[in-house]
Amino acid sequence: AAGVIQSPRHLIKEKRETATLKCYPIPRHDTVYWYQQGPGQDPQFLISFYEKMQSDKGSIPDRFSAQQFSDYHSELNMSSLELGDSALYFCASSLGQGLAGLADTQYFGPGTRLTVL
Amino acid sequence: GQQVMQIPQYQHVQEGEDFTTYCNSSTTLSNIQWYKQRPGGHPVFLIQLVKSGEVKKQKRLTFQFGEAKKNSSLHITATQTTDVGTYFCAGRYSGAGSYQLTFGKGTKLSVIP
Repeated sequence: AAGVIQSPRHLIKEKRETATLKCYPIPRHDTVYWYQQGPGQDPQFLISFYEKMQSDKGSIPDRFSAQQFSDYHSELNMSSLELGDSALYFCASSLGQGLAGLADTQYFGPGTRLTVL
Repeated sequence: GQQVMQIPQYQHVQEGEDFTTYCNSSTTLSNIQWYKQRPGGHPVFLIQLVKSGEVKKQKRLTFQFGEAKKNSSLHITATQTTDVGTYFCAGRYSGAGSYQLTFGKGTKLSVIP
C-alpha cells in the first residue's frame, strides 16, 4: 500500500539558511499534519491542513510557514535556521478530519532529518 | 496547555515478561491513539480508542481506555525482542485545536533476550 512520502530524507543546512521540506500524503488523503521530533523527544505538533486550508496550529515558530497545494501535497518552509531546529520532521496524513472523536487515523511518513550546522 | 503524561519513561524486561505503559490526561480526551516507533523509524499507528471503557486486543497487545476517558494503557503479554521500541500514546481533545494529536513522552521498551 502507498505510504506518505517525504523529501528530502536528509538535509544539512547552515545557520540562517532556509529549507523546504515536502510531503506527499497517501492517495485520497486530504489532511496533512507536520510534527517536529527532537532527539529522544516525543513528536511535537506544528501545523495541519485540511482541504488546502490551515486547520490547526501548534508550536510552529514564526520563522516557519507551510501550505497545502491543490494536489494535497504540503511544503514546510523554514527560514533563518537555528541550531535548535535540528530535528526529525514528520509529516502525517489522514482521510478527512471529521469531528473530534471520530476515526481519522494519522499515518506518518519516514521523516526528514534536518541538521543545522 | 493540554498535556498527556506517560509513564514509565523506560522499561527493561526479560523476554517473556509482561510490559505495561500508562497515559493520563488531566482533561477528558475525545480519543486516544497508540503508536510504536522503532529506533531510527517513524511512528507507526497501532490502534485508536474512542469509547469510554473500551478495550481492544491485537494478539499479545491489550489497549484500554478509562471510563472517564482520561487515561489509557497498553499491555504487552510475554514480550518478544520484536517488541523493542518506543510506545507513544497520543490524545485528541474536543474544541479548539481538536485536530492535533498531543503525544505523551513515550515509554522506551528494551527486551533482554
